[in-house]
Amino acid sequence: GDQVKQSPSALSLQEGTNSALRCNFSIATTTVQWFLQNPRGSLMNLFYLVPGTKENGRLKSTFNSKESYSTLHIRDAQLEDSGTYFCAADNTGNYKYVFGAGTRLKVIA
Amino acid sequence: GGIITQTPKFLIGQEGQKLTLKCQQNFNHDTMYWYRQDSGKGLRLIYYSITENDLQKGDLSEGYDASREKKSSFSLTVTSAQKNEMAVFLCASSMTANSDYTFGSGTRLLVI
Repeated sequence: GDQVKQSPSALSLQEGTNSALRCNFSIATTTVQWFLQNPRGSLMNLFYLVPGTKENGRLKSTFNSKESYSTLHIRDAQLEDSGTYFCAADNTGNYKYVFGAGTRLKVIA
Repeated sequence: GGIITQTPKFLIGQEGQKLTLKCQQNFNHDTMYWYRQDSGKGLRLIYYSITENDLQKGDLSEGYDASREKKSSFSLTVTSAQKNEMAVFLCASSMTANSDYTFGSGTRLLVI
């Protein structure tokens, strides 16, 4: 089965609203990264997380290692937030990050 | 700030051809990675290199070779291009293994 499972697979948001993306892990994970891939294909690193919470502007992310999940909260969604969000979990001890299949987000006016 | 550069941006090859993709970073990062992204899908690890003289296979290494020529560069060779591997190939680097990644802008491969 999927080692890193993202939900939802796709999402449409009205501009100005809030939402949460989720990542569940079935592998032992020490750190998590979240990325945004824009429509042109460029991947931007949003967060690098050890267990705990980080916030950056309208984005907040939490990694709960005990319950094996991470969330990415988007507040006051803007059109430029559109793209595909990927989470990646390091497979502890292997130096390899395993990526989820992504959440395709479309923000509409 | 640094930059990670992938060349070429687009690569067209014939079926069976040997093709090489290049990646250079000037962050002085120890660790470099090659991922493949098929259309509409997530990223799968092909090869990675933890330090300058290291080379490790990922989950998708069959049909590929890699070379860490020096700390700043990591090349990927498609040994015999196949039509079912048309994809975007993404290079990334990180300060150390398990630190945050910076990605290049990708090489889009088309096999005819």
